[in-house]
Amino acid sequence: SAVISQKPSRDICQRGTSLTIQCQVDSQVTMMFWYRQQPGQSLTLIATANQGSEATYESGFVIDKFPISRPNLTFSTLTVSNMSPEDSSIYLCSVQTATRTEAFFGQGTRLTVV
Amino acid sequence: GENVEQHPSTLSVQEGDSAVIKCTYSDSASNYFPWYKQELGKGPQLIIDIRSNVGEKKDQRIAVTLNKTAKHFSLHITETQPEDSAVYFCAANTGFQKLVFGTGTRLLVSP
Repeated sequence: SAVISQKPSRDICQRGTSLTIQCQVDSQVTMMFWYRQQPGQSLTLIATANQGSEATYESGFVIDKFPISRPNLTFSTLTVSNMSPEDSSIYLCSVQTATRTEAFFGQGTRLTVV
Repeated sequence: GENVEQHPSTLSVQEGDSAVIKCTYSDSASNYFPWYKQELGKGPQLIIDIRSNVGEKKDQRIAVTLNKTAKHFSLHITETQPEDSAVYFCAANTGFQKLVFGTGTRLLVSP
């Protein structure tokens, strides 16, 4: 399985500010996804990070709030913009390879907005 | 779109007992069904998966069964141990390699 590193692992941020989360994979992967997991809840897909082009967002998520970059096949960033306490969640990076259907997750970024 | 329901939301068992978690899905086109274990403060870990061309898959104490006709699949853990305590999520794929997750089951195994 791929080794996925997310940074930061946790952060406490002031409302109105932005936080960029990094996801680094130890091998080239086809698909990279960003998920949100609100406290005590399930995982909700935010968007698919597309290499070299704009991300594909799920219903309820917009680029202005969650801009995503994916400059190459091993790295992606998710920015949570203009944060409010409702953005307090765990944000997870997930990857899939070209040859396998399995999806693997990073350890997550625990964000608290105060 | 795909909808995945998961039951129960919490499950308490004694060490050594078996645990069963059930999920149903709505999209008949789904053909891949993974199960994840999430421990406190960690990301979800893939523990077993099943594809629609088989009805059962086993890996040591863990097994998954799939009933395509009824659109449900289940996770079975035998001889449970305290380290099995975690939140378990089922999922089903959609047509674009995305996963839709169930609501999670908090499993507590008491010594």
